[in-house]
Amino acid sequence: EAAVTQSPRNKVAVTGGKVTLSCNQTNNHNNMYWYRQDTGHGLRLIHYSYGAGSTEKGDIPDGYKASRPSQENFSLILELATPSQTSVYFCASGDGTGHTEVFFGKGTRLTVV
Amino acid sequence: SQWGEENLQALSIQEGEDVTMNCSYKTYTTVVHWYRQDSGRGPALIILIRSNEREKRSGRLRATLDTSSQSSSLSITAAQCEDTAVYFCATVNNYAQGLTFGLGTRVSVFP
Repeated sequence: EAAVTQSPRNKVAVTGGKVTLSCNQTNNHNNMYWYRQDTGHGLRLIHYSYGAGSTEKGDIPDGYKASRPSQENFSLILELATPSQTSVYFCASGDGTGHTEVFFGKGTRLTVV
Repeated sequence: SQWGEENLQALSIQEGEDVTMNCSYKTYTTVVHWYRQDSGRGPALIILIRSNEREKRSGRLRATLDTSSQSSSLSITAAQCEDTAVYFCATVNNYAQGLTFGLGTRVSVFP
């Protein structure tokens, strides 16, 4: 069964602190994505990856970095967290064809205080 | 934005009623995805329609795609309480063939 697992599920961080959100997929997909979801904006793409060692900027990359050390793992890094980054973050994986399902994790709720 | 502003809406219906939600998109696409998101969960694909299909059915779900008007619709027949969720349409973007989502439609089904 296709699976994308995110950790942690909930996180409270202080302003200026470093936050790392982790994602693991067992779908053997080359492509992985990080989205954030906010009321009124829907899901917006932050970073994506074509495979191990690859990270690319999406629509809203400012303030975020990404790391793809292996096929299975894709991390989102907030070097200096700000309250505006309070959101729900979703990791996803896909086969890159656009014609099959993109699988999402359950999300991480991040609160920056 | 890839999507028209009319995407954002909330619909409340009673069990047994039919409901239709609409999306319009601005750029060419060969496929439209429809995802469902339950509270506290990530989105999950419920139906995918390609440009050569015009209509696609899956159980009580029916999706249409009109490439000439760049619009898609999702209908739920005889809605049940368990259909309560947020429904998103999405097209494929140029970012590693990921998805660009509309704002979603919140559907609430009451007994």
